[in-house]
Amino acid sequence: QKEVEQNSGPLSVPEGAIASLNCTYSDRVSQSFFWYRQYSGKSPELIMSIYSNGDKEDGRFTAQLNKASQYVSLLIRDSQPSDSATYLCAVYNNNDMRFGAGTRLTVKP
Amino acid sequence: DGGITQSPKYLFRKEGQNVTLSCEQNLNHDAMYWYRQDPGQGLRLIYYSQIVNDFQKGDIAEGYSVSREKKESFPLTVTSAQKNPTAFYLCASSLGTSGRAYNEQFFGPGTRLTVL
Repeated sequence: QKEVEQNSGPLSVPEGAIASLNCTYSDRVSQSFFWYRQYSGKSPELIMSIYSNGDKEDGRFTAQLNKASQYVSLLIRDSQPSDSATYLCAVYNNNDMRFGAGTRLTVKP
Repeated sequence: DGGITQSPKYLFRKEGQNVTLSCEQNLNHDAMYWYRQDPGQGLRLIYYSQIVNDFQKGDIAEGYSVSREKKESFPLTVTSAQKNPTAFYLCASSLGTSGRAYNEQFFGPGTRLTVL
């Protein structure tokens, strides 16, 4: 069974801090990696995609991928209370998308 | 406005009843998906379709059925054979399944199904 593991949290950071969210996956040949944000009671929203080793930055978000370690992370700089949500990691290979259970992030004013 | 719509937002089912959840997209996406989300769990794939008139079972297809008669529409029927259907149902679509950006999935607002 292909697994995607995330720390369920909750992760609590003060406003303005960096939030670091982590994800590991078991399928070594996974090709594409995604981070979704899901507010309580709402559907997931795609916020980052990453396909190659290294960092990818988009505004306050940075995704980091290390395929050798089977590890993908999401950094949120200057965290805001509006970033409080559950963040889902998703891993794709060959028509198969696997989701982690999510990490709940709380940003305290 | 381009996007994915799901209806109804809330649905209540009695024991032994079949219900159908609607999913429509106007993004011109080829691939569509149905997921189920239970509290504290990741999304689990029920069915997916890569092209009109074709669909494949996901990990938890038992007790569910789908059709894909039009590119824009991918309705899900929850049958009475599904013993524990109370969950949040999410429809998603993507450009296709080949190539990197093609497999980015975008979600509709979801349908919350409750069994009475």
